[in-house]
Amino acid sequence: GENVEQHPSTLSVQEGDSAVIKCTYSDSASNYFPWYKQELGKRPQLIIDIRSNVGEKKDQRIAVTLNKTAKHFSLHITETQPEDSAVYFCAADDYNQGGKLIFGQGTELSVKP
Amino acid sequence: GAGVSQTPSNKVTEKGKYVELRCDPISGHTALYWYRQSLGQGPEFLIYFQGTGAADDSGLPNDRFFAVRPEGSVSTLKIQRTERGDSAVYLCASRSGRSGANVLTFGAGSRLTVL
Repeated sequence: GENVEQHPSTLSVQEGDSAVIKCTYSDSASNYFPWYKQELGKRPQLIIDIRSNVGEKKDQRIAVTLNKTAKHFSLHITETQPEDSAVYFCAADDYNQGGKLIFGQGTELSVKP
Repeated sequence: GAGVSQTPSNKVTEKGKYVELRCDPISGHTALYWYRQSLGQGPEFLIYFQGTGAADDSGLPNDRFFAVRPEGSVSTLKIQRTERGDSAVYLCASRSGRSGANVLTFGAGSRLTVL
């Protein structure tokens, strides 16, 4: 089955700097890769996702890149703000097979003003 | 409903007791998922349903855990003979089930504490 590894587990940046979180997956059949943001005591919320037919997707300050050959994908946040502080989770599944979304262990991002 | 609704939001029980956690998915969503999240960890897959049937229950930790979705909408996660290690936040999520409609939407979770 799918296994998703996420690094780093904690990340501290200065406001305005960029943050990068990386994930690897094991199942080459996976074709859908979402990223979720979870604030303390809240539910995970989708911030961006990418399908395997594209290599990069951007939404304002957030971008995700995917390398299917290497089986890794990354989240890039530019011009970080204190409100970006949260735990971020990557995930992967093969939705065409009625997939179950498998999550990474999470990255706690802290943006210092 | 407009979102995924879970009840109760908090449940405190004693070791050995039986608990039920309920999930009401987004209206029309055929796929429903249960995850368990311990402090500092990512959501851990338990089981998912397509309609009324359990499509994959490989994440259920043991036979004390069981889930049903008898009418293809509301689901109940049942835990028998609870243990302290079952303490966690149980998250329910749903997605539409239509090809290409991938987004998984989570409920607020049910926090289970086993004393």
